[in-house]
Amino acid sequence: GQQLNQSPQSMFIQEGEDVSMNCTSSSIFNTWLWYKQDPGEGPVLLIALYKAGELTSNGRLTAQFGITRKDSFLNISASIPSDVGIYFCAGHFSGAGSYQLTFGKGTKLSVIP
Amino acid sequence: NAGVTQTPKFQVLKTGQSMTLQCAQDMNHNSMYWYRQDPGMGLRLIYYSASEGTTDKGEVPNGYNVSRLNKREFSLRLESAAPSQTSVYFCASSSSGGSYEQYFGPGTRLTVT
Repeated sequence: GQQLNQSPQSMFIQEGEDVSMNCTSSSIFNTWLWYKQDPGEGPVLLIALYKAGELTSNGRLTAQFGITRKDSFLNISASIPSDVGIYFCAGHFSGAGSYQLTFGKGTKLSVIP
Repeated sequence: NAGVTQTPKFQVLKTGQSMTLQCAQDMNHNSMYWYRQDPGMGLRLIYYSASEGTTDKGEVPNGYNVSRLNKREFSLRLESAAPSQTSVYFCASSSSGGSYEQYFGPGTRLTVT
């Protein structure tokens, strides 16, 4: 099946720093989604992207749909302790059936106060 | 709106026992999904139901069965549990009409001994 390569796998940052993570695929995706998962909870949708080149913000979070349609990026500005969690990218592969998504393995973010 | 609800939240089974995980959504979504999440892995699709009355296999369907009881409810059944099925199970739902945004429940943590 399709695979998404998400990097970095984990990161430790100081409170107040900006964060960048990305997701790449060898195939073209027509939708990119970013989720956050807190410990013991289900993933929560942060941002959805539907057009190549699209740049969308949600508070301190900004995500971009790559021009090649094979990648996406998530930036978090001025990190705070509650940003801690695992961030997943997900995409809909153009050849996939129905509304199936492919998920990356996640980026675990730790924020040092 | 409760969104997506799942029961039970925790379950311990012995090898060979059976059980059904319940999922319900109150967002009037057409599509529903069952995923499993294992340490260090992304979310892997077990089964999905694109619409009421239909179900299809996902990436890892072996050992599971599903029932789309009505538009709101989608259950996952383990007929004979195995230790390899120890995992966290998430139910999700999405609307149709070109939206790939999936909304997740809080999860069921299952341990098979």
